[in-house]
Amino acid sequence: SAVISQKPSRDICQRGTSLTIQCQVDSQVTMMFWYRQQPGQSLTLIATANQGSEATYESGFVIDKFPISRPNLTFSTLTVSNMSPEDSSIYLCSVLGPVSYNEQFFGPGTRLTVL
Amino acid sequence: DQQVKQNSPSLSVQEGRISILNCDYTNSMFDYFLWYKKYPAEGPTFLISISSIKDKNEDGRFTVFLNKSAKHLSLHIVPSQPGDSAVYFCAASEGIQGAQKLVFGQGTRLTINP
Repeated sequence: SAVISQKPSRDICQRGTSLTIQCQVDSQVTMMFWYRQQPGQSLTLIATANQGSEATYESGFVIDKFPISRPNLTFSTLTVSNMSPEDSSIYLCSVLGPVSYNEQFFGPGTRLTVL
Repeated sequence: DQQVKQNSPSLSVQEGRISILNCDYTNSMFDYFLWYKKYPAEGPTFLISISSIKDKNEDGRFTVFLNKSAKHLSLHIVPSQPGDSAVYFCAASEGIQGAQKLVFGQGTRLTINP
């Protein structure tokens, strides 16, 4: 399995500001994903981040609001821009593999509260 | 449009008994299904998966059953243990992508009572 860490683990931010969440993996992986879990809701895929190319966003999510970087095979960042209280969620990164494409492994999540 | 549904938000089971968690899906293109367990303040942990070519997959105390005609899957845990208390998510993906682009259900909170 892959060991994934996220920073920060939680944060409280003011409306209109931006927060960048970091995701670090202990092995090289091809595919990384960013999810959002709003309070009481299921996990929703925001985008797929591949090294060397732009992220692929799911319906309802746009690059201007959630810019993603993937500078190498072990690291990615998600920025939540111009935040509003509706962005209060848990944000999770995950990776495919690294051995098998039949599992996704998740980081511990970043709990974001926007005031 | 919720493509994966877990209609029971919570379930309470006595220790040692069987826990059965249910999941329904609407997208007939889904052909790979996974169950995850999530403790508070942690990310989801993979439990078990099944592809549409099977109707059952077993791993220790955990068994997943798939009924393609009913678009229904279930996770059986037997015997249930206190450490099984967590939120359980089912997830689905389509095509030959394996576990890529997962669609999750809303989760079921399982409580195992001593």
